[in-house]
Amino acid sequence: DSGVTQTPKHLITATGQRVTLRCSPRSGDLSVYWYQQSLDQGLQFLIQYYNGEERAKGNILERFSAQQFPDLHSELNLSSLELGDSALYFCASSAWGGLETQYFGPGTRLLVL
Amino acid sequence: KNEVEQSPQNLTAQEGEFITINCSYSVGISALHWLQQHPGGGIVSLFMLSSGKKKHGRLIATINIQEKHSSLHITASHPRDSAVYICAVKAAGNKLTFGGGTRVLVKP
Repeated sequence: DSGVTQTPKHLITATGQRVTLRCSPRSGDLSVYWYQQSLDQGLQFLIQYYNGEERAKGNILERFSAQQFPDLHSELNLSSLELGDSALYFCASSAWGGLETQYFGPGTRLLVL
Repeated sequence: KNEVEQSPQNLTAQEGEFITINCSYSVGISALHWLQQHPGGGIVSLFMLSSGKKKHGRLIATINIQEKHSSLHITASHPRDSAVYICAVKAAGNKLTFGGGTRVLVKP
């Protein structure tokens, strides 16, 4: 158990809908990362937050947005969902958001029908 | 060409064999991560390297910054080592770029 929690574990929804994925980092970790893992693209970095502020941005679509709240949990919002958004979404956390180990959550499996 | 290339893509070994997975990258990096993804999907960070060599149990990771290359070795492999091993590099802008993964199957 990494100490990072993600909810929900599974999500099935329809095209055009909007969903919110939630992540709680390990106790004491200030930085949260979001990743997408799809069958055709592999693992991709989406976005990183540190203590509530956006720190780095990767291949995140404009239809996706994220934020980190004062209690350090983070949410990833996916809107106008398409079939191709079906993937595993991982959250990870680290202490300072720098050169240290990241701890991964169990992931949320999203299926868009 | 991908920024991070792993080889082989798939590897089958007999229990007890020595396994090597390679990772080559084309950009300047500040650190390299080796991750293990279990069949159930969970990801565990094995190592983070910026130079030299690290060892944890039967796992050894090395990196050669000049040659832009890293290797992950598994000594005395065991069926529970069966997983996908993923190399990821941290380059400019603090983002991680991932290799395609190496699927390892260790047969008893």
